[in-house]
Amino acid sequence: DQQVKQNSPSLSVQEGRISILNCDYTNSMFDYFLWYKKYPAEGPTFLISISSIKDKNEDGRFTVFLNKSAKHLSLHIVPSQPGDSAVYFCAANSENTDKLIFGTGTRLQVFP
Amino acid sequence: EPEVTQTPSHQVTQMGQEVILRCVPISNHLYFYWYRQILGQKVEFLVSFYNNEISEKSEIFDDQFSVERPDGSNFTLKIRSTKLEDSAMYFCASSGQNFNQPQHFGDGTRLSIL
Repeated sequence: DQQVKQNSPSLSVQEGRISILNCDYTNSMFDYFLWYKKYPAEGPTFLISISSIKDKNEDGRFTVFLNKSAKHLSLHIVPSQPGDSAVYFCAANSENTDKLIFGTGTRLQVFP
Repeated sequence: EPEVTQTPSHQVTQMGQEVILRCVPISNHLYFYWYRQILGQKVEFLVSFYNNEISEKSEIFDDQFSVERPDGSNFTLKIRSTKLEDSAMYFCASSGQNFNQPQHFGDGTRLSIL
């Protein structure tokens, strides 16, 4: 099931700089997109979401951009902090299903 | 902040034995879910539950699996006769609605089948 793809398994960013995590999807029925952060030995923690009627949603240092024509979304973290180091998952959902479809995750490392 | 809690954090079971994983969803949520993550693989959906019945299940969720909400707070996943390939992290989640609202996850139960 490759409906949601995160093609970069890892990303390394200096503290204070912008982190950009990318996600592509193939199912045009997806209407709702989410980003989760996961630390080792913990469950996914919800970060931010966006509905398909929008192209941008912002919450503090986190902004999600949605490009429906390209079936692409991205998460921007500005400024990046060492505590942001974690695995980030994008997930998608559509109105006719309960389930979230997850990507494989991108491991973000923020170094001083 | 309200959170989803799961017990136990780690369960070791002999193959063929029954196992019950427990979850306490966020108290005012109405939709409950189980997901699993096999080591090195994606988080994958197992089942959703609403109004005391299964609303959706994946092909993974076969007759060996069952879910129950035995009281007003707990939500359980039972695996009747465990197999080696059931070894995984099992995550419970809950949400206020089944769409356009985030699902909030617990910290998971690591299930190890010997």
